[in-house]
Amino acid sequence: ETGVTQTPRHLVMGMTNKKSLKCEQHLGHNAMYWYKQSAKKPLELMFVYNFKEQTENNSVPSRFSPECPNSSHLFLHLHTLQPEDSALYLCASSHGAARQGDQPQHFGDGTRLSIL
Amino acid sequence: QQPVQSPQAVILREGEDAVINCSSSKALYSVHWYRQKHGEAPVFLMILLKGGEQKGHDKISASFNEKKQQSSLYLTASQLSYSGTYFCGTAGGFGNEKLTFGTGTRLTIIP
Repeated sequence: ETGVTQTPRHLVMGMTNKKSLKCEQHLGHNAMYWYKQSAKKPLELMFVYNFKEQTENNSVPSRFSPECPNSSHLFLHLHTLQPEDSALYLCASSHGAARQGDQPQHFGDGTRLSIL
Repeated sequence: QQPVQSPQAVILREGEDAVINCSSSKALYSVHWYRQKHGEAPVFLMILLKGGEQKGHDKISASFNEKKQQSSLYLTASQLSYSGTYFCGTAGGFGNEKLTFGTGTRLTIIP
């Protein structure tokens, strides 16, 4: 139990579907992150939220739409995805995003996404 | 720019020692180490800040040479539970830059 919960754990969807990934943290953190993890590639940072405000969008295609209603919850809305979007999507949280170099990040178990 | 880890994979027998290296082409403020077991979340191990520090954590320790922009993770007398993929993450600037991760080192411990 890392204190960061992601649902669903697995998701299979067609390219025309719309679905959402959910992340919830119980650690009292103020920063939340979405990462994409593909085989043989480093963790790719997608989005960063600090105190509910988006502070980083790492050139992510608009078919991925994040939402952060409060510091404890983070969503990733998916729409018209491509086969290359199949990957493990990890959520993480930390005390603050302004000083990522100082702060350990706590990860959830991820959502394994498969695009048909 | 992402850090480079070596080796990419290593297989050890229980009780043997391992060293995993992480190097960067740019000046670093800190190095983070994480371990991820298959199907699980990456778990934070330790952060090392510039100043050439070393840290220990049971039989897992690490060093950070800021002049060489390198860090090494040392696993002593490895246990089966040490198996997994180890990632380093690096941050530059004054700690205000984003964390960038390496491609990982897969460590397999066999009985």
